[in-house]
Amino acid sequence: GENVEQHPSTLSVQEGDSAVIKCTYSDSASNYFPWYKQELGKGPQLIIDIRSNVGEKKDQRIAVTLNKTAKHFSLHITETQPEDSAVYFCAAWGEGTYKYIFGTGTRLKVLA
Amino acid sequence: DAGVIQSPRHEVTEMGQEVTLRCKPISGHDYLFWYRQTMMRGLELLIYFNNNVPIDDSGMPEDRFSAKMPNASFSTLKIQPSEPRDSAVYFCASSQKVTGEQYFGPGTRLTVT
Repeated sequence: GENVEQHPSTLSVQEGDSAVIKCTYSDSASNYFPWYKQELGKGPQLIIDIRSNVGEKKDQRIAVTLNKTAKHFSLHITETQPEDSAVYFCAAWGEGTYKYIFGTGTRLKVLA
Repeated sequence: DAGVIQSPRHEVTEMGQEVTLRCKPISGHDYLFWYRQTMMRGLELLIYFNNNVPIDDSGMPEDRFSAKMPNASFSTLKIQPSEPRDSAVYFCASSQKVTGEQYFGPGTRLTVT
């Protein structure tokens, strides 16, 4: 079946450094890629998304890049802060399957 | 708007009992999603509705699971009979478009003993 692989599963960075999380999808018909942040005890919250007709999107310290040929997309967080510590999930919407597949999550720890 | 509302927040039940989880989506959102989250399997989409109609239920693990959406402001996920392996956090989310921001509820933590 279709799947989304996410790496790394855990990531520790020093405050102020950058963090990069990568996802690879298998369904070539996927055309929408959201990233969610989940804090402890809460539901996931959308932080940024990208559609297949765009290669990169930025929102302040957060950016997402998409390589359709290689079928992978990445989340970039610059100037990390302790409040960025959370679990991050990538997801892909399959235009052929009409369903969302989520990555397995990355636990990001920003060390003060 | 108060956001997506789920109840109960915590549910502890014995194996074999029926469990009903409830969700109230954000008003005006046409899509409603049910997810299950476990350490082993991560976040899984169970079923989603568009305008109260189930669109894809291929993620529902077994016939013991059923979901309904009788109107635009209410949905239920029922497990009958429940088993210990159903223990998880169940999230409900709603959105205006299928490819758009989903607003998640706080989740229901289900423990089946």
